Amino acid sequence: AQSVSQHNHHVILSEAASLELGCNYSYGGTVNLFWYVQYPGQHLQLLLKYFSGDPLVKGIKGFEAEFIKSKFSFNLRKPSVQWSDTAEYFCAVSPSGSARQLTFGSGTQLTVLP
Amino acid sequence: DADVTQTPRNRITKTGKRIMLECSQTKGHDRMYWYRQDPGLGLRLIYYSFDVKDINKGEISDGYSVSRQAQAKFSLSLESAIPNQTALYFCATSDLAGYGYTFGSGTRLTVV
Repeated sequence: AQSVSQHNHHVILSEAASLELGCNYSYGGTVNLFWYVQYPGQHLQLLLKYFSGDPLVKGIKGFEAEFIKSKFSFNLRKPSVQWSDTAEYFCAVSPSGSARQLTFGSGTQLTVLP
Repeated sequence: DADVTQTPRNRITKTGKRIMLECSQTKGHDRMYWYRQDPGLGLRLIYYSFDVKDINKGEISDGYSVSRQAQAKFSLSLESAIPNQTALYFCATSDLAGYGYTFGSGTRLTVV
C-alpha cells in the first residue's frame, strides 16, 4: 500500500517569503500525485496534480510542484506567499493505471504573517 | 448548488447514539468516498464505493457502516457513537479514473 509523509507540520512565513513544503511518498509502482489546500472552515480544493510528462507542474494561485522520481518527492513551491495563502496543505498519492483511492499525508499548516 | 452536499454541517450527539451522515452529489460520478479528518493525521479513508453494488472498507472502517442508496447518494452511519469518533467527516466523489476528486464541505461531528 502507498503512504505519504509531510514532514513540516506547521510553517510560519512572512508575506513575500518563498515557500517550499515537502512531500515524500512510498509506493513500488508509478503514481499520480496531488496537492490539495484547505482554507479555514472550508473543504479541500485541488491545487495541482501530476500524472505524467513534465515533472514540473503548475497549479492555481501561483503554486507549482516538482516530481522527483528518484527521491519519491513532490514538493510544493510558491515564490512569494500572501496572507491569503494561510491554510492547510495536503499532499496525496494514488497508484496510476488503476482507479484506487487517494492516500493523504498528515497535512502542513501554513500561517502567513502580514 | 454545491456539487457534493453533506448534511448535517454540524452535529453533537451522545455516546451510544446511532447517527447517519448523508452525502449527495450532482457530478454524475460513480465513485464516492467517506474520509475522516483529525488534527495532525490528515484524511483517512473510512469506506468507498465504486458503484451502487460495490462497497469497500477503507483504512479505518471499524465502528462505521455505509449505504449507497443510489449513484448520487452515499450515507455513513455510526451505529453506536463513541467520543473518539469526534472528527470532521468529508464525502468525496471521483471520476472513473480517480483523477478528479470533488469534496463536500464536511460534517463536524462531536460525540459527548
